[in-house]
Amino acid sequence: DVKVTQSSRYLVKRTGEKVFLECVQDMDHENMFWYRQDPGLGLRLIYFSYDVKMKEKGDIPEGYSVSREKKERFSLILESASTNQTSMYLCASDTLGESKDGEQFFGPGTRLTVL
Amino acid sequence: GEDVEQSLFLSVREGDSSVINCTYTDSSSTYLYWYKQEPGAGLQLLTYIFSNMDMKQDQRLTVLLNKKDKHLSLRIADTQTGDSAIYFCAVFSGYALNFGKGTSLLVTP
Repeated sequence: DVKVTQSSRYLVKRTGEKVFLECVQDMDHENMFWYRQDPGLGLRLIYFSYDVKMKEKGDIPEGYSVSREKKERFSLILESASTNQTSMYLCASDTLGESKDGEQFFGPGTRLTVL
Repeated sequence: GEDVEQSLFLSVREGDSSVINCTYTDSSSTYLYWYKQEPGAGLQLLTYIFSNMDMKQDQRLTVLLNKKDKHLSLRIADTQTGDSAIYFCAVFSGYALNFGKGTSLLVTP
């Protein structure tokens, strides 16, 4: 079974803090994704990466950055957390060409609250 | 970009059928997916359909695809309380999935 794990299920931070959300997958997937999920807005893509050290902006990258130093690990960074970044953050991975295009495997999510 | 639309809420009685609808805009989409999210959990792939198919059945689940109208539906037969969850329609756009906002399905006894 594909496993995608996220470092924390719940996180509480203060405005202005630097926040790291970590995601690890164990299936050697090339592609990894970070989404945020908000009520009434569904999932919105923040950033994705299709290879080590590669990153692409998604639909809402402002206020976020990412790091992919190793294939299995994709980190989401909030340089200076703000209250409007309070959300559920979901990590996902997939591998194009070896499975159905676009089938993604999700982690359990990190619920971040910024006070 | 791709627009994927779903209704936000659906309530059904236990034992009835549920039908969740989705419309999308990109006619070149190859795979279309239904994901399920239970409370407090991430998304799990429920089923999918390839764009050259009209229908796919998998136990209690039936997916119907109308490419002309760009309409996708998920039918759950004999809906159970354990089916209460948020259901997301997702369409592959070439580099990433575009998700609908999700339909919250409530199953009442």
